[in-house]
Order: sequence, then C-alpha cells, then structure tokens
Amino acid sequence: QVQLVQPGAEVKKPGASVKISCKASHYTFTTYYIHWVRQAPGQGLEWMGMINPSGGSTTYAQKFQGRVTMTRDTSTSTVYMELSSLRSEDTAVYYCLPAVAGPTWFDSWGQGTLVTVSS
Amino acid sequence: DIRMTQSPSSVSASVGGRVTITCRASQGISSWLTWYQQKPGKAPKVLIFAASSLQSGVPSRFSGSESGTEFTLTISSLQPDDFATYYCQQAHSFPLTFGGGTKVEIK
Repeated sequence: QVQLVQPGAEVKKPGASVKISCKASHYTFTTYYIHWVRQAPGQGLEWMGMINPSGGSTTYAQKFQGRVTMTRDTSTSTVYMELSSLRSEDTAVYYCLPAVAGPTWFDSWGQGTLVTVSS
Repeated sequence: DIRMTQSPSSVSASVGGRVTITCRASQGISSWLTWYQQKPGKAPKVLIFAASSLQSGVPSRFSGSESGTEFTLTISSLQPDDFATYYCQQAHSFPLTFGGGTKVEIK
C-alpha cells in the first residue's frame, strides 16, 4: 500500500522559507508523480504543482511560480517542497499526494503538514 | 485556468433528506470531475470520480451526474455521517482546480 510520510508541523516567520519532506514507502518511488495541495484554515483546496520522481521534471501552478521548488532524492525515496518568502496567508496544511501521470484526482491522502507562518 | 464554481456554499438538511450540490466548469472538461468529502480535521476522501463512478466502499446513496459543463453530486438520503464539506475537482487539465466547497449542515 502506498505510504507517504510528512512531518506533522512546521513554524516559520514571515519572509522565511519552509522545506517539507514527503517520504515514500511500500511502492517503487518512480511509479507515481507527487502532487502538492494545500488548504488554509477554514478554506478550500489549492493545487500547487507536481514532480515526476523519475526524471525530476516539475509543473507548478502559476500562482506559486518563482516561490516554490519541488525536488526529489531517489536515494531516500523522498520528495521535497520548498516555499519561500512566506507570509501569513501561507499558513495551511500541505499535502503530498501520489498520482498517475497526467491530470488526475487523488485517492490517497495522508495527514499533511501544518505550516504556521507567524512572527 | 479552468474555474470550478460550486453551489451552494452551504446547505442545511435533515437526516433522511435529499441534498444536491452543483459544480460548473468554466470550459469543457469531458467527464473529468471528482467529488470529495471532507470532515473537520481530516483529509478529503474521494466519493465519485469520472463524474459518476462511485469510489469503492462509498455508500450508494451518493451519486454523480453531468450535463455539459454542469456536474451534480446527490445524496439521496442524508445520514448523520454525511454532515461534512464537499468539494469538486476537475481532472481535465493543469492546473488542477477545485470548487470552493459546500458545507452540509444539520437542519
């Protein structure tokens, strides 16, 4: 069964960066693309982008272009999502989600990482 | 980007009642529409994919339909476990986009 493990929480100050890890297990790491979706408190769901663990290619939502970087480490089966220049509006739960190639939906959600941006 | 307009934003209904939630896409997405249910403090869960296909394990009181760019989620007989927030998502093209959500509350 596909398993992705994220840290539970991060606290950052405005202007800082956060780098969230997403460690894959129980499947071949390069099988699934990894997408990132976030949800601010009391708000809806927002797709941020995705990475292909096989070659490392990325696609980002325009809203986050220039501020988000998704990378992967095949030696540890881990994907990372770094968001820079944090502001209070970035306070949200960030989910990493496995999916097949192409536009798709998400049927395997973990607990996510709560990122709190506060001075 | 494809805009997903979901309505209503909230609805009150009684146990046993029927609830209908609508999601309209700003352009054609074929049948690439997914419905999720989310309960407070929990991650979303897939109910319906490809507009009308019931996810394994989801009760048959949930159903999805489509008419052009308008998609509908129907809960035929609301149960206490169904009080939650529901989201639609288009899986037609990038960037993937979600509706704003519909909160189903107890009447």
